[in-house]
Amino acid sequence: DAGVIQSPRHEVTEMGQEVTLRCKPISGHDYLFWYRQTMMRGLELLIYFNNNVPIDDSGMPEDRFSAKMPNASFSTLKIQPSEPRDSAVYFCASSPAKNIQYFGAGTRLSVL
Amino acid sequence: RKEVEQDPGPFNVPEGATVAFNCTYSNSASQSFFWYRQDCRKEPKLLMSVYSSGNEDGRFTAQLNRASQYISLLIRDSKLSDSATYLCAVRPPSGGSYIPTFGRGTSLIVHP
Repeated sequence: DAGVIQSPRHEVTEMGQEVTLRCKPISGHDYLFWYRQTMMRGLELLIYFNNNVPIDDSGMPEDRFSAKMPNASFSTLKIQPSEPRDSAVYFCASSPAKNIQYFGAGTRLSVL
Repeated sequence: RKEVEQDPGPFNVPEGATVAFNCTYSNSASQSFFWYRQDCRKEPKLLMSVYSSGNEDGRFTAQLNRASQYISLLIRDSKLSDSATYLCAVRPPSGGSYIPTFGRGTSLIVHP
């Protein structure tokens, strides 16, 4: 079992650039979550999907953030345009149900 | 009051010590409770679920106190390798998003 796979592991970009984070959930998991973690705010849920359908995106900070899940094995989180305050670790997690979550290794994003 | 609160620590203890952390939650109807462990620059990983009657896994004991609305994690005979941040997660009652909310974590440092 490969676990949840995220790419890239590190991303350094300049303010104003588009950033795309990718996630491959564990096969058979119906739920996929995107989180952001910072020292100040801890682990924040941005959006989650059930069977590829976005269910709750109330955690998405603003319109610059968007997420898609075109199929059961792939999801993206896009930030356009990126800003320095978006610098954080972004985790993708998947779950067979709405309880125990399995996290990917995360993408460490730095926006200069 | 925040939904889920933890003392950020750090808790600095010698090897072999017993240490306990609490996690308080605001919704008295919360359904499920979990402890996750997060090593430095890694993803959170499930440590253990917390059952109503309390449960133990080796040196780790988790308990739920519904009356006072908190869960606890007790670590006996601390090892250097226990140094990490411990996140609690609390799932609200059904009818809402039913997605666990994470605390910001308690940092544990075990020293020789």
